Amino acid sequence: QVQLVQSGAEVKKPGASVKVSCTASGYTFTSYGFTWVRQAPGQGLEWMGWISAYNGNTNYAQKFQGRVTLTTDTSTSTAYMELRSLRSDDTAVYYCARAIVVVTDAFDFWGQGTMVTVSS
Amino acid sequence: DIQMTQSPSSLSASVGDRVTITCRASQSISSYLNWYQQNQGKAPKLLIYAASSLQSGVPSRFSGSGSGTDFTLTISNLQPEDFATYYCLQTYSSQWTFGQGTKVEIK
Repeated sequence: QVQLVQSGAEVKKPGASVKVSCTASGYTFTSYGFTWVRQAPGQGLEWMGWISAYNGNTNYAQKFQGRVTLTTDTSTSTAYMELRSLRSDDTAVYYCARAIVVVTDAFDFWGQGTMVTVSS
Repeated sequence: DIQMTQSPSSLSASVGDRVTITCRASQSISSYLNWYQQNQGKAPKLLIYAASSLQSGVPSRFSGSGSGTDFTLTISNLQPEDFATYYCLQTYSSQWTFGQGTKVEIK
């Protein structure tokens, strides 16, 4: 069965960077992409970007351009999201999800979420 | 960016009710619209893709309709496990955007 398992919670200081991992199993890793979505406490969902696990092509939300990098490691079936220059308003749960193309792009399996807290 | 506006932002309903949630796009997005359900403290779950296609394993009481700028998610015969927050997502443009969410609460 398809599973996405994310790395554990992180506490970071303002200005630092964080790198969250998302390890996939149960399917052919390079056949799909990944998307990253975050959710600040009590707030809605916010799309951050997408990466193809096949060729590494990326598409970032303009809000995060220059501050986020999405990568994949096919040898370990792991996707990564790195966010730099952290601010207090980056405090959120960060989710990875498998991105499929079924007429439209959609996210069919999700990781459990990783809480990132930014605090001095 | 394409703005997605959901209405209402919250609603109260009873088990067995029929519930309708609307999502409006700031410009035409054809049928590039998905619906997600999120229970408190859990990851979102895909319900509907391409505006009206039911994701595998999702109960048939969920249905989606619409194209262009106006879309609807309908839950018929509301069940206790359906009390959650629902989000629409457009993937028409290169900048994907979610609606702000609709919380379905127990009356």
